Amino acid sequence: ETGVTQTPRHLVMGMTNKKSLKCEQHLGHNAMYWYKQSAKKPLELMFVYSLEERVENNSVPSRFSPECPNSSHLFLHLHTLQPEDSALYLCASSQDRGTGISGELFFGEGSRLTVL
Amino acid sequence: AQSVTQLGSHVSVSEGALVLLRCNYSSSVPPYLFWYVQYPNQGLQLLLKYTSAATLVKGINGFEAEFKKSETSFHLTKPSAHMSDAAEYFCAVSSESGGYQKVTFGTGTKLQVIP
Repeated sequence: ETGVTQTPRHLVMGMTNKKSLKCEQHLGHNAMYWYKQSAKKPLELMFVYSLEERVENNSVPSRFSPECPNSSHLFLHLHTLQPEDSALYLCASSQDRGTGISGELFFGEGSRLTVL
Repeated sequence: AQSVTQLGSHVSVSEGALVLLRCNYSSSVPPYLFWYVQYPNQGLQLLLKYTSAATLVKGINGFEAEFKKSETSFHLTKPSAHMSDAAEYFCAVSSESGGYQKVTFGTGTKLQVIP
């Protein structure tokens, strides 16, 4: 596989369920990101991991819990979500840390989450 | 602080007509600027990027953008629209911060191509 892979592509869950979104990048990058894309809103940066260390958490509710076990994998654990959390969740990666590369983000195809 | 403004959430053009999608940015440091495209039910894909080399940047699928510092603009153009160009386009500005890319996206412009 190449690029950034997200699973599942579609997820329907109840408000009391616990589920996880998975992201895997095959690009050798050292930074990974979770974005939330809702209708009629700009992309919202949720979490950033650089060299497996969380470097940004944009006031995301605690019902979203990220995990980055290594530089190739990123998870988003979901627990007691609300209907307004229904959105497309996009994972991205980049190669950073002073490499001189200009910061292009490579995105997965997204996980479409519906909370009932 | 950095920000991006995309003028027009929806743009319609006829097939074969000029495509012009507008983007203005603000950034306290020399910016990296990007245009991404998103097709339905897919993630974002890089169309082109400006990284302080040539001010006219050519991208994939015949798109290009011109960086104009005096106007703080980075408008996206394509001479002749094709039906396959129908998608949503996002302008973005990026700067490195603490070892990762702090990317700010515009709200997106949906391009409709009319046959």
